[in-house]
Amino acid sequence: AQSVTQPDIHITVSEGASLELRCNYSYGATPYLFWYVQSPGQGLQLLLKYFSGDTLVQGIKGFEAEFKRSQSSFNLRKPSVHWSDAAEYFCAVGVTQKVTFGTGTKLQVIP
Amino acid sequence: ETGVTQTPRHLVMGMTNKKSLKCEQHLGHNAMYWYKQSAKKPLELMFVYSLEERVENNSVPSRFSPECPNSSHLFLHLHTLQPEDSALYLCASSQDLIGGVYEQYFGPGTRLTVT
Repeated sequence: AQSVTQPDIHITVSEGASLELRCNYSYGATPYLFWYVQSPGQGLQLLLKYFSGDTLVQGIKGFEAEFKRSQSSFNLRKPSVHWSDAAEYFCAVGVTQKVTFGTGTKLQVIP
Repeated sequence: ETGVTQTPRHLVMGMTNKKSLKCEQHLGHNAMYWYKQSAKKPLELMFVYSLEERVENNSVPSRFSPECPNSSHLFLHLHTLQPEDSALYLCASSQDLIGGVYEQYFGPGTRLTVT
């Protein structure tokens, strides 16, 4: 069965700084990969997805993620964080109709 | 209405009450999901419906009873709940499950408090 790990429970960055959120998965082949964001009291919103092809994926709100097969990783990046990016971010792995979510990384943005 | 909507947004119920959560998707999808999100726990998949048939039930207690009358609507009927059932209940939808994995679109959730 597939699994997904987000090693950072909480990250704090300054507004304007770059951001990288880590995601590692465990699966024998290339799975479907997703990043979602959840603002307080809200549902999850899809930021981007990777199914195949170009390993650098562009998403909404200026986010991008890179799939690295050799490292079984799908890290989320943003070059310059805005205060409105403060939220919780979830990585998810999809295999044969089943999607497994990571435990989430809470992002705090300081002025 | 667009996307996935859920009602009510907040619900407080006693342990002996019966209530229902409603979810409606306006995306033309054929698969719908119920998730439970508790503090400091991973997102827990409860039920999956594909083309109005239940395809997954992850050992959820019988006090939770799902219903999917058509591909646009999903209900979660609640009865004799326990305080540990207090959580955010999220509904999601996606294209049907036939042929692979598709991204899920989530509603805003119902914040349930059991007293």
